[in-house]
Amino acid sequence: ETGVTQSPTHLIKTRGQQVTLRCSSQSGHNTVSWYQQALGQGPQFIFQYYREEENGRGNFPPRFSGLQFPNYSSELNVNALELDDSALYLCASSTAGFRNTIYFGEGSWLTVV
Amino acid sequence: KQEVTQIPAALSVPEGENLVLNCSFTDSAIYNLQWFRQDPGKGLTSLLLIQSSQREQTSGRLNASLDKSSGRSTLYIAASQPGDSATYLCATSTSGTYKYIFGTGTRLKVLA
Repeated sequence: ETGVTQSPTHLIKTRGQQVTLRCSSQSGHNTVSWYQQALGQGPQFIFQYYREEENGRGNFPPRFSGLQFPNYSSELNVNALELDDSALYLCASSTAGFRNTIYFGEGSWLTVV
Repeated sequence: KQEVTQIPAALSVPEGENLVLNCSFTDSAIYNLQWFRQDPGKGLTSLLLIQSSQREQTSGRLNASLDKSSGRSTLYIAASQPGDSATYLCATSTSGTYKYIFGTGTRLKVLA
């Protein structure tokens, strides 16, 4: 148990639709990162939030957006879904500072049909 | 641009063997390197975190080493057990953020 919870665990969407994924970070953690993991691949960094502001972004288009709330929980929103968006979406939380371990949730499996 | 490679991609060993998983990275200017375990369809569990100033970390039957100058890390698993069967991923952190660059992992199967 990492203390990081994600919802929903599985969902199926149609191409062109929008999806919101949610993450509750471990207590005391003020930094949340989102990763996309396609089947058979390593996770790819989407973006990171620190104290409600985006603090770094990977090579993902603007239709991937996020929010972090005052309680440090977070949302990942994806608009205009494409088939290639089908993947496991992982949320990770940590305290600020690059010397600290990051803790991942169990992920949300998104299938786009 | 950091690239992380893991060899082998898959490994099958009999129970009780000691084994080594390899991770290489192209940019030695890392802040730290983490090894993770991922069970099928699940999230990642952090196993060991090695800071850039450290050479190795140990936890139980696991030992991870880091050689920044050569861009290599190894994860040593002693006396492997069927419960160790999983995918093992290494990831490096650069530029002082939590942007981790992951390898594609080594799928380990330990046979009873």
